[in-house]
Amino acid sequence: ETGVTQTPRHLVMGMTNKKSLKCEQHLGHNAMYWYKQSAKKPLELMFVYNFKEQTENNSVPSRFSPECPNSSHLFLHLHTLQPEDSALYLCASSQPHSALQQGGATNEKLFFGSGTQLSVL
Amino acid sequence: SQQGEEDPQALSIQEGENATMNCSYKTSINNLQWYRQNSGRGLVHLILIRSNEREKHSGRLRVTLDTSKKSSSLLITASRAADTASYFCATDGRDSNYQLIWGAGTKLIIKP
Repeated sequence: ETGVTQTPRHLVMGMTNKKSLKCEQHLGHNAMYWYKQSAKKPLELMFVYNFKEQTENNSVPSRFSPECPNSSHLFLHLHTLQPEDSALYLCASSQPHSALQQGGATNEKLFFGSGTQLSVL
Repeated sequence: SQQGEEDPQALSIQEGENATMNCSYKTSINNLQWYRQNSGRGLVHLILIRSNEREKHSGRLRVTLDTSKKSSSLLITASRAADTASYFCATDGRDSNYQLIWGAGTKLIIKP
């Protein structure tokens, strides 16, 4: 186990549903990430939280709404998704590098959860 | 854009053989990392190599970095069926504000 737990592992939802993905890390890290992984495409960074503050939002549509109540928990709230949003959603955590203090992202290794395989019908 | 590109896209070899995967990138980097992903699972970090390093080893893994060619290679020696997975490189640097930029991965299949 990597110390990063994601639930649920699988999720099927209709376009009008509202659901949430949960991520919890037990590593004492202060940076957490949401990534989207679609087939045969590079990982797409969605959001970065550093010490509970959102430091990156890579032009993600507003139908994805992140929440980071503390350094150990990260949520991704989903509403009115589209079929093209079907993908594997991965959460990761890391110990922030000093670059994060200036709003940048870490260059230390990431610890990933097993992901939530999302299907939007 | 600074994007890692793995080569080949897919590789199938016999158990016991060595597997070599390559990664190329476009701009100067701070670090380059290799990750492995089993089907439908999260990524697992393998090795991080810094821009001032040329080679690193970890068990059966050997990573080289050639900053003049903007490329890296991952060598897995004496492959095992359990090495079957997708392998990704990720780079970071000032140009990306130290965000990790990922390649699309190499799918490695080890035939028993």
